[in-house]
Amino acid sequence: NAGVTQTPKFRILKIGQSMTLQCTQDMNHNYMYWYRQDPGMGLKLIYYSVGAGITDKGEVPNGYNVSRSTTEDFPLRLELAAPSQTSVYFCASSGTSGRGGSYEQYFGPGTRLTVT
Amino acid sequence: LAKTTQPISMDSYEGQEVNITCSHNNIATNDYITWYQQFPSQGPRFIIQGYKTKVTNEVASLFIPADRKSSTLSLPRVSLSDTAVYYCLVVRMDSSYKLIFGSGTRLLVRP
Repeated sequence: NAGVTQTPKFRILKIGQSMTLQCTQDMNHNYMYWYRQDPGMGLKLIYYSVGAGITDKGEVPNGYNVSRSTTEDFPLRLELAAPSQTSVYFCASSGTSGRGGSYEQYFGPGTRLTVT
Repeated sequence: LAKTTQPISMDSYEGQEVNITCSHNNIATNDYITWYQQFPSQGPRFIIQGYKTKVTNEVASLFIPADRKSSTLSLPRVSLSDTAVYYCLVVRMDSSYKLIFGSGTRLLVRP
């Protein structure tokens, strides 16, 4: 299994441009998540999904959009990029199914985004 | 979700046992405690989770007292490769399993 893969690894955007960060998992996990991590800080949850067709906002959703048309893919869309969105973005997935199950989230390698 | 508080940084030496304590005073009945490790330029990696008492796996132990308002991650005989940031998180057992990360504890292991 490849686990959680993210593309691209690095990207530089100009202010006002848009882009999509790709995330794919091959573990048949229902739950998927997008986080951002600013330098020296912990991760902040942007959006999450509990299954195909179902998404919900996390702590910092403004300026982002997501969709979940398949179990495997969970792309994150940045519209009108701003310097405040310069960060490292991590995608994660989890197969948690209820009481007694593991809450382990599997993280991708991250996408380092710079907006100038 | 319960907010967690843990030391900003800790220093240790190779071969020592390291204990990192986390406070989560507002933990709810349906919450689990989980710990992640993060190396620079990598995503976090799950270490261990628990609900109460003691849990042990091949890399760490987790001690949770009866009131569950704190927890202690124990790393036996650390090596240089254990230098990382360690996050304590509380996970609610609902339909989302969201993780709320704090700032973590930066552990530096010296030779």
